Amino acid sequence: NAGVMQNPRHLVRRRGQEARLRCSPMKGHSHVYWYRQLPEEGLKFMVYLQKENIIDESGMPKERFSAEFPKEGPSILRIQQVVRGDSAAYFCASSPPGGGDEAFFGQGTRLTVV
Amino acid sequence: AQSVTQPDIHITVSEGASLELRCNYSYGATPYLFWYVQSPGQGLQLLLKYFSGDTLVQGIKGFEAEFKRSQSSFNLRKPSVHWSDAAEYFCAVAPTYNNNDMRFGAGTRLTVKP
Repeated sequence: NAGVMQNPRHLVRRRGQEARLRCSPMKGHSHVYWYRQLPEEGLKFMVYLQKENIIDESGMPKERFSAEFPKEGPSILRIQQVVRGDSAAYFCASSPPGGGDEAFFGQGTRLTVV
Repeated sequence: AQSVTQPDIHITVSEGASLELRCNYSYGATPYLFWYVQSPGQGLQLLLKYFSGDTLVQGIKGFEAEFKRSQSSFNLRKPSVHWSDAAEYFCAVAPTYNNNDMRFGAGTRLTVKP
């Protein structure tokens, strides 16, 4: 059973381009979470999704950021028109249905905006 | 909504010394509580978790944590720190209903002196 897979591990984008970050949850997991970790800062919650539904997006910036978790395929975090301040590590976690189980984390995607 | 506070941003201890990392949470009921560790450039690994029952929980790598309801705390401890314990430590809380909306503290960076 493969763990949470994130790709790419490293992504470089020029200002104004779009960044697409992918997350494949563990098998059997239907809950996905995205977190952002800025340099020298902790993890900040961005969005919580279940299949085809956004449950909580209270941590998402109002503009340029969007997330989806389709019925088939990985979860996608999309950042449009990236700016230097978007440079960060973005982590995805997944957990099975039900409450209280631990979330398993991917190794993250490090986005650098040049 | 639940929240987590880790008061110490950075802690330095000598190898072999004892360690305690503080974590306080805010939530209307008893949540599920977690401690994760993040080594440089890596994702998060679960150290231990508390759901119910014995308030002193044992985790991997010789770590333990104690849930104190009266203080809304879940502090992480280790009797003797090893150089390999140098990392970032995150406390997390999730609600007890059928929802894995996990929120993290800002993290505590542990430096171990030889």
